Amino acid sequence: DGGITQSPKYLFRKEGQNVTLSCEQNLNHDAMYWYRQDPGQGLRLIYYSQIVNDFQKGDIAEGYSVSREKKESFPLTVTSAQKNPTAFYLCASSMLQGANYGYTFGSGTRLTVV
Amino acid sequence: AQTVTQSQPEMSVQEAETVTLSCTYDTSENNYYLFWYKQPPSRQMILVIRQEAYKQQNATENRFSVNFQKAAKSFSLKISDSQLGDTAMYFCAFSAQGGSEKLVFGKGTKLTVNP
Repeated sequence: DGGITQSPKYLFRKEGQNVTLSCEQNLNHDAMYWYRQDPGQGLRLIYYSQIVNDFQKGDIAEGYSVSREKKESFPLTVTSAQKNPTAFYLCASSMLQGANYGYTFGSGTRLTVV
Repeated sequence: AQTVTQSQPEMSVQEAETVTLSCTYDTSENNYYLFWYKQPPSRQMILVIRQEAYKQQNATENRFSVNFQKAAKSFSLKISDSQLGDTAMYFCAFSAQGGSEKLVFGKGTKLTVNP
């Protein structure tokens, strides 16, 4: 079955550590996105990529980094520069051609700083 | 920049009744898409309904329908015959025309369906 897989489901980070969240899709979608979700804040865009080896900053990119070496994969690294990383992270993908049918979402990763 | 506003942080409804969630947006675009997403306690985001701005007819999906008022930039979601499984966060989202445009989300409405 086609879909988006995010891993791990839960992730714990110590102060000063970098951690990487995985996102893989087998939908042959062109674009991939990372959102952060905090209570009362809705979904805020961190980074997005429309093509391999290219990506753009979203609204809250500081303290995060991404790569897009393969069409199927869009990992997100939360660096030690991100001062408040505890949040729920959602990965999504979409087609770029034709009508806009919105996103397909992964099941999310809950990141907690310990 | 486009913005999406959901003015009701929380709502509740009795099972089998009807409830309407509000959404307004701001854009200078003429052609665009609007979406409602549902996020149940599992936190999986699920597309509920989609509306193309150039279509005057309101979209419907079973018990879910929208009231799209383009001039007023309003896009409300009506849930009929509410069920306990409808308990979730509901997010309104906007995207300019074309698949290359990213979604802008509102802050969400938490809906509770009471037995």
